[in-house]
Amino acid sequence: SQQGEEDPQALSIQEGENATMNCSYKTSINNLQWYRQNSGRGLVHLILIRSNEREKHSGRLRVTLDTSKKSSSLLITASRAADTASYFCATVQAARQLTFGSGTQLTVLP
Amino acid sequence: EAGVTQSPTHLIKTRGQQATLRCSPISGHTSVYWYQQALGLGLQFLLWYDEGEERNRGNFPPRFSGRQFPNYSSELNVNALELEDSALYLCASSLLAGSTEAFFGQGTRLTVV
Repeated sequence: SQQGEEDPQALSIQEGENATMNCSYKTSINNLQWYRQNSGRGLVHLILIRSNEREKHSGRLRVTLDTSKKSSSLLITASRAADTASYFCATVQAARQLTFGSGTQLTVLP
Repeated sequence: EAGVTQSPTHLIKTRGQQATLRCSPISGHTSVYWYQQALGLGLQFLLWYDEGEERNRGNFPPRFSGRQFPNYSSELNVNALELEDSALYLCASSLLAGSTEAFFGQGTRLTVV
């Protein structure tokens, strides 16, 4: 079963705009990770945020984690056409298994 | 440093046959995950191996099985193939299971006809 659920399922924005994707999960986690997948290929790790962290930045990426609400958000600032991809959140529970959500398909229009 | 490699990249089988997919993790990584991704859908967890042992398996029938070898490479076997087994099968490896990022291979595209 899916641990994380991304919202929205699909997002279409203009180049230069910010894109925000959300992830909700059900059980306590050790950490939460965001990945990106270009069409039909392997996933690439973007950022990992631990359960005791609230915010993390990496380049144009900003991730927040609210453990009380069991939710996370991924913000991509100043989006580019090359950011077009599917974005997945993945949670790690005490069992150390990596479980993925259903993903958000982001389309950045030039 | 070589990344996670999967072979073959594409595999076409007929219904009822068996398929074997292979994964070589990044050197030093002992944890290997397998996922199934049907077209346009999310990743469904299949199997997790760590230090040579199966740690967990997802909600898949027993005809999905695998193993991890002493060199930490892994094999996924699918017996009695069904049409709905057609999917992208992704392998990922991790240095410290769950604590560090996972690195993915490019996947094996399995088509069952």
